[in-house]
Amino acid sequence: KQEVTQIPAALSVPEGENLVLNCSFTDSAIYNLQWFRQDPGKGLTSLLLIQSSQREQTSGRLNASLDKSSGRSTLYIAASQPGDSATYLCAVMGAGANNLFFGTGTRLTVIP
Amino acid sequence: DGGITQSPKYLFRKEGQNVTLSCEQNLNHDAMYWYRQDPGQGLRLIYYSQIVNDFQKGDIAEGYSVSREKKESFPLTVTSAQKNPTAFYLCASSMGVRETQYFGPGTRLLVL
Repeated sequence: KQEVTQIPAALSVPEGENLVLNCSFTDSAIYNLQWFRQDPGKGLTSLLLIQSSQREQTSGRLNASLDKSSGRSTLYIAASQPGDSATYLCAVMGAGANNLFFGTGTRLTVIP
Repeated sequence: DGGITQSPKYLFRKEGQNVTLSCEQNLNHDAMYWYRQDPGQGLRLIYYSQIVNDFQKGDIAEGYSVSREKKESFPLTVTSAQKNPTAFYLCASSMGVRETQYFGPGTRLLVL
């Protein structure tokens, strides 16, 4: 069964800093990988989706990379802002599956 | 205004009681999902539906039931057989089962 790990569980950075969030998965036979953002007590917001054939995706200040062979993805956030404070979740869809497997998330705090 | 709505925002269940959580979407999506989120754990899939009148069990379906009589609606019933129902429940939908998933705001279920 696919297992998804996100380290660290929590991260605090000063405003303006660039940062990287990490996601690792145990089975490299994936269909796609998604990054989500969750604010406290709220639902999830999709940030980026990377297909298994892609190496990276970009949206504004966010860049997600995928290295399938090593079972890793990173989410790079440039010039962090206090509004970026949230929990970031990584989720993987297996090649033969129809559902996502989620990590436990990294709680990001950007200090003004 | 397209999106996914969940109601109620908070729900209280008494011992031995069945309760139903509502999920409606007007995105014309074929696939819909129910996830459970517990503190310190990743989201876990309860049930998903690819099309009307069809649904599949996820990883933790025991004690739950669903129906998909209309494309827009995917209600989840938490039965008395679910012994630990206290959690945050999230509904999602996607165009197809392997497309980007969009989430509702969630329902928090508490046991009295």
